[in-house]
Amino acid sequence: QVQLVESGGGVVQPGRSLRLSCAASGFTFRNHAIHWVRQAPGKGLEWVAVIWYDGKNKYYADSVKGRFTISRDNSKNTIDLQMDSLRAEDTAVYYCTRGRTRHSSDSDYWGQGTLVTVSS
Amino acid sequence: QSALTQPASVSGSPGQSIAISCTGTSSDVGGYNFVSWYQHHPGKAPRLMLYDVNNRPSGVSDRFSGSRSGNTASLTISGLQSEDEADYYCASYTSSSTQVFGGGTKLTVL
Repeated sequence: QVQLVESGGGVVQPGRSLRLSCAASGFTFRNHAIHWVRQAPGKGLEWVAVIWYDGKNKYYADSVKGRFTISRDNSKNTIDLQMDSLRAEDTAVYYCTRGRTRHSSDSDYWGQGTLVTVSS
Repeated sequence: QSALTQPASVSGSPGQSIAISCTGTSSDVGGYNFVSWYQHHPGKAPRLMLYDVNNRPSGVSDRFSGSRSGNTASLTISGLQSEDEADYYCASYTSSSTQVFGGGTKLTVL
């Protein structure tokens, strides 16, 4: 079955960096786009970034552009989200999600999420 | 990338039908057939209920349907059931090749 397992969350000080990872299994990884979506405490869902199936196209929300970098390794079925210059408003549960197709904007499978807390 | 506009809450009795609206612009909802809807029970992972405006993934009940008129998309749930009580989010592809979510709607089944 399709599984997406996030890791790397934790508590980090403002201005520091954190790297999230997502391990995918149960499907042909190279055939799907992968997204990161987050949910701040008590708030709604916010789309963060997407990387298309071949890793050549990457897009970011304005709120993270220039600070976050998404990458994938199709040989290892993994996705990373490098988060630099973290701010208090980046505090959220971060979900790794599978795009329904190679470059679709919708997500048909979601991980359970990993919590990132940015606090001094 | 302003969030799409959804009502904060809607409610209905079991067996009734409800609709949740999702308003954007011609650069997102009104410009592409890439509107999706998610059901989110707190503490669980969100679930895709509709994609491409009105297509249901395998396993989603046909009580869930979608439509779009201009810059506003809608999710309709018919034959409301207690297990439908959850938060619902719309999302749309945008002209910047990004995605934007709505603020979310809390559905209460009375």
